[in-house]
Amino acid sequence: DQQVKQNSPSLSVQEGRISILNCDYTNSMFDYFLWYKKYPAEGPTFLISISSIKDKNEDGRFTVFLNKSAKHLSLHIVPSQPGDSAVYFCAASGGVQGAQKLVFGQGTRLTINP
Amino acid sequence: DTAVSQTPKYLVTQMGNDKSIKCEQNLGHDTMYWYKQDSKKFLKIMFSYNNKELIINETVPNRFSPKSPDKAHLNLHINSLELGDSAVYFCASSLLGQPQHFGDGTRLSIL
Repeated sequence: DQQVKQNSPSLSVQEGRISILNCDYTNSMFDYFLWYKKYPAEGPTFLISISSIKDKNEDGRFTVFLNKSAKHLSLHIVPSQPGDSAVYFCAASGGVQGAQKLVFGQGTRLTINP
Repeated sequence: DTAVSQTPKYLVTQMGNDKSIKCEQNLGHDTMYWYKQDSKKFLKIMFSYNNKELIINETVPNRFSPKSPDKAHLNLHINSLELGDSAVYFCASSLLGQPQHFGDGTRLSIL
């Protein structure tokens, strides 16, 4: 059972435009959500997170939105830059094992075109 | 300085062999993790240690045995390797409740 889903395996965006990456989850016990960015041959790098008590968190060009009723979160990158080309993973945690057990989506490959 | 370092980066070995992957972090974190990324690119947690104590143990064959000699190290030993063990294994660390920091992975290939 896939508790965290990223339904778009890939996304292509023009440089300067907004990139929107989506993530859906099924477990209502999740209360903490994160986005990680991954370049080839490297480990995932933490990007931004949001607690379930908030609906928006912003950090520079990156904003994460959380819609608890829809069990949906999204990552907005604006403006998109060539260095943003990477695989983005959504992750969630919560419940009995708390923040330690991250459940990841399968990733979305973002390509920024010049 | 690499914050979370894993060795080796690549590991190619025969079925049936025993191998170990080492992980060290210099971030002063108290919690360390092992993840497996399979061929479908899913990252799944295998184990987590907090202050050298096992706190997460997912449904992993008992051929996999983690060992944490101290808070800065978490090694993974795998006995009797099988073809299905081929994957990229990531180590991570964090302070309890904080975002996890990942190493660059160890790509294990079983021949």
